[in-house]
Amino acid sequence: GAGVSQSPSNKVTEKGKDVELRCDPISGHTALYWYRQSLGQGLEFLIYFQGNSAPDKSGLPSDRFSAERTGGSVSTLTIQRTQQEDSAVYLCASSGGSNQPQHFGDGTRLSIL
Amino acid sequence: QKEVEQNSGPLSVPEGAIASLNCTYSDRGSQSFFWYRQYSGKSPELIMFIYSNGDKEDGRFTAQLNKASQYVSLLIRDSQPSDSATYLCAVTMPGGYGNKLVFGAGTILRVKS
Repeated sequence: GAGVSQSPSNKVTEKGKDVELRCDPISGHTALYWYRQSLGQGLEFLIYFQGNSAPDKSGLPSDRFSAERTGGSVSTLTIQRTQQEDSAVYLCASSGGSNQPQHFGDGTRLSIL
Repeated sequence: QKEVEQNSGPLSVPEGAIASLNCTYSDRGSQSFFWYRQYSGKSPELIMFIYSNGDKEDGRFTAQLNKASQYVSLLIRDSQPSDSATYLCAVTMPGGYGNKLVFGAGTILRVKS
């Protein structure tokens, strides 16, 4: 079956612009995570959606970052007024629920000029 | 104390040797434990998961879990140069919304031919 799908795969934009990153999880997966990974660094947790519960937003680095998950499926991560330090690979993962393995998408490589 | 700790490495082993990767975690209530492999420029790939104390074997990989010591390890037998990658330990943390999965920073493994 289809895995986690992320789009776009690459995004180059100018500082100050807003960007939207999309994640389409594996069908039926109730949990969805967003991570950020800078070059040579580990995974930085951003936000976690589990079913209909309020999301865990504890990893969002600033109020410029927001995410939503519509209908318990597709998620969009929005970064407003982008800064150069936002340049990174943004990874999405989904799982069948608590205690289940996460499966990652291929990521979106974001470059802020 | 970090929630999930790994030695950053690099861990260097000769081809054919056993590579031993270690991970400790902070919460005694954690129930699920995962090992991911991440090649440079790629997204993490699930290679093992373990839920119960003891050993779990899958091909050349063995995951070992000791909940009393809050320790999980990954053994790679007959290491190959293609095993060279960063290995990420991930542990579900109870509480909050459905056992959020927390990643360690990863151990770099280098297998020398």
